Amino acid sequence: GDSVTQMEGPVTLSEEAFLTINCTYTATGYPSLFWYVQYPGEGLQLLLKATKADDKGSNKGFEATYRKETTSFHLEKGSVQVSDSAVYFCALTRSGGSYIPTFGRGTSLIVHP
Amino acid sequence: DSGVTQTPKHLITATGQRVTLRCSPRSGDLSVYWYQQSLDQGLQFLIQYYNGEERAKGNILERFSAQQFPDLHSELNLSSLELGDSALYFCASSVAQGGEKLFFGSGTQLSVL
Repeated sequence: GDSVTQMEGPVTLSEEAFLTINCTYTATGYPSLFWYVQYPGEGLQLLLKATKADDKGSNKGFEATYRKETTSFHLEKGSVQVSDSAVYFCALTRSGGSYIPTFGRGTSLIVHP
Repeated sequence: DSGVTQTPKHLITATGQRVTLRCSPRSGDLSVYWYQQSLDQGLQFLIQYYNGEERAKGNILERFSAQQFPDLHSELNLSSLELGDSALYFCASSVAQGGEKLFFGSGTQLSVL
């Protein structure tokens, strides 16, 4: 079945550092890929998405590129802020079948001033 | 604010009891999803309703049931509660049947003592 694997956290960075959170997936066909973010005490919210190979999703300085050859969708940001501290979830939705998103286990990001 | 309302925010109960969690989706959204979030299992899909009808079932225990009412709000009923049912329960909604973009509520934290 479909699955999403994220790097274990927590990821701890200093403000203005470069961020990478790795995400790889297993799915048949051509899934849509997503990153959701969960701030403390809140529900998940969509951060960015990409629907086909080589697409780049971007939002709030975050980027992720849909790499079909490596089945990856790594999240990157050039300069993190303390306010980026949250849990980040990678997810996929397989087209042509179940539309229920499959989520990774989440990666906690802690940014220190 | 996602527009998805979940009540109550916190629930403390004893083993063997029954509780009901309530969710009001965003205005205009027809799909409601229920997820369970725990430290050891991550974010697990439980069940989806679309316009009052069950559409998809995930890892939902037989002790759990849900429904979506004509006004589109949904309730998740958990019975014969066990310690292991302690978790954060999220409701999410979307416009269509597909999970291209989900809007999450802030969750109900259930503690079974």
